[in-house]
Amino acid sequence: EAQVTQNPRYLITVTGKKLTVTCSQNMNHEYMSWYRQDPGLGLRQIYYSMNVEVTDKGDVPEGYKVSRKEKRNFPLILESPSPNQTSLYFCASSAGLASATQYFGPGTRLTVL
Amino acid sequence: AQSVTQLDSQVPVFEEAPVELRCNYSSSVSVYLFWYVQYPNQGLQLLLKYLSGSTLVKGINGFEAEFNKSQTSFHLRKPSVHISDTAEYFCAVSAHSGYSTLTFGKGTMLLVSP
Repeated sequence: EAQVTQNPRYLITVTGKKLTVTCSQNMNHEYMSWYRQDPGLGLRQIYYSMNVEVTDKGDVPEGYKVSRKEKRNFPLILESPSPNQTSLYFCASSAGLASATQYFGPGTRLTVL
Repeated sequence: AQSVTQLDSQVPVFEEAPVELRCNYSSSVSVYLFWYVQYPNQGLQLLLKYLSGSTLVKGINGFEAEFNKSQTSFHLRKPSVHISDTAEYFCAVSAHSGYSTLTFGKGTMLLVSP
């Protein structure tokens, strides 16, 4: 089954404790992306990757890091989480063209205390 | 740069009634247009998209949308809604010349009651 998986699905942590949210896709997609969803703000892009070892900032990259060492994986790293990063995070992947459908993971709900 | 405006944050409607969710966009370049749906506690999935050709696009679950270039709109419609259509709906655009980077609207919550 074609899918995007994220782990963990739920995470409660404290300010300053480094964390990683994993994302993996099994569709051989070139393009992967991270979004955060906040009430009343819709989805905003954090980072994206057009291929292995190629990443770029989205609209709200501050406080986040990503890496793309393998085509299927695109982890999101919060080196020093803060309460304003409490949010619902989605990973997505696509074939890469602007016309392509993006496939979303189930989401990770992060709470930073 | 592109921007997307969804004019209603919430749309309450009774079951079997028609519904229209409005979306307007702004862009200095040509764009592709998408509607995604998010059911409670799930990720987003594609409802339909407009790439080219006929301006009336049919999607899953009986939804359709019409692209209006002069009004820069892409409104979503369904002639008769079901309780199961209760979800949040997002309009999004991507620039023709770019990669698969979506700019989303803020979403419209469709609330269907019996």
